[in-house]
Amino acid sequence: EADIYQTPRYLVIGTGKKITLECSQTMGHDKMYWYQQDPGMELHLIHYSYGVNSTEKGDLSSESTVSRIRTEHFPLTLESARPSHTSQYLCASTPNTGELFFGEGSRLTVL
Amino acid sequence: RKEVEQDPGPFNVPEGATVAFNCTYSNSASQSFFWYRQDCRKEPKLLMSVYSSGNEDGRFTAQLNRASQYISLLIRDSKLSDSATYLCVPGRSYIPTFGRGTSLIVHP
Repeated sequence: EADIYQTPRYLVIGTGKKITLECSQTMGHDKMYWYQQDPGMELHLIHYSYGVNSTEKGDLSSESTVSRIRTEHFPLTLESARPSHTSQYLCASTPNTGELFFGEGSRLTVL
Repeated sequence: RKEVEQDPGPFNVPEGATVAFNCTYSNSASQSFFWYRQDCRKEPKLLMSVYSSGNEDGRFTAQLNRASQYISLLIRDSKLSDSATYLCVPGRSYIPTFGRGTSLIVHP
């Protein structure tokens, strides 16, 4: 089993609220990723990090931001949530061999 | 052009059937791939890795065809529990990207 955890698993909030989705892994992986996925659709990469203090935007434009202050922690923040942000957010990490280990996801609903 | 292309399906097969689907890739330098399985509303999970020699794990066999730039996944003796979306991803990609995958439905 992969040691990567996401919290909260489910979140329902009102428009305009600030939220942070947490992602932690205990495998010591340098590379971490955030994907966004709508039902029945493909995963879209929104942020990635190659290590501490490294963050990059993915191929899908996102109003979220990320930080990587510690190797094991890669939180994603939305300063002002909107209904268009309703989606599932999946965090993943990878060792040098390339396979991705995913967390169970955070399902966000913005009312 | 996307890194990989897959037939979205769905492939609808009876229990016990053998089913195969392909994943074509654009980067001829890719030497390894991963197949993931994603159940509805769940996270993708690694199914198997594929290198030049292919890979077999129980009922699952994956092959890499470099000349035609595709990888295949063969599932023998399909089970109801094999119903899922199957995703292929190039290995050692700095920015792993996914397509929509191939949907498999195994019915009684």
